[in-house]
Amino acid sequence: DGGITQSPKYLFRKEGQNVTLSCEQNLNHDAMYWYRQDPGQGLRLIYYSQIVNDFQKGDIAEGYSVSREKKESFPLTVTSAQKNPTAFYLCASSSGQEFTGELFFGEGSRLTVL
Amino acid sequence: AQKITQTQPGMFVQEKEAVTLDCTYDTSDQSYGLFWYKQPSSGEMIFLIYQGSYDEQNATEGRYSLNFQKARKSANLVISASQLGDSAMYFCAMRQPSGSARQLTFGSGTQLTVLP
Repeated sequence: DGGITQSPKYLFRKEGQNVTLSCEQNLNHDAMYWYRQDPGQGLRLIYYSQIVNDFQKGDIAEGYSVSREKKESFPLTVTSAQKNPTAFYLCASSSGQEFTGELFFGEGSRLTVL
Repeated sequence: AQKITQTQPGMFVQEKEAVTLDCTYDTSDQSYGLFWYKQPSSGEMIFLIYQGSYDEQNATEGRYSLNFQKARKSANLVISASQLGDSAMYFCAMRQPSGSARQLTFGSGTQLTVLP
């Protein structure tokens, strides 16, 4: 079945540590996105990529980094520079060619900083 | 800048009744797409319904319909015959051809609780 797989589902991190969240899709989508969700709030865009080897900052990119070496994969690293990293992280993808298509989401990764 | 406003942080509805979740948006673009997503407590985002800015008819998908009033810039979601499984967070979102990679911009959400 086609879809987006995020791992791990739950992650605990000590302050000062970098962590990497995995996102893999087999939908053959060009565009991929990372969103952050805080309790009781909507989603905010961290980074996005429209094509392999290219990515752009979203609204809240500070303290995060990404790579897009393969079409299927768009990992997100939460660095120690991110001051408040505890949140729910959602990866999404779309065909990227039209703005009429919906985004497909993974099941999310919940990061807690201890 | 585009903006989505959902003014109802929480809503309650009796099982089998209809409920309307409000959404207003702000954009200067003529072309845009409006979406509604459902987020159960498990966290995944489930696409419900889409309305294009040039669509003349309101979108419908099963028990979901979108009350699109372009002049008022509103795109309310109507859920008919509510079920207990409809209890979830609901997000209105918009995509535009301009801006960041046609990203989805989300409202703050409405928590819907269906009462037995």
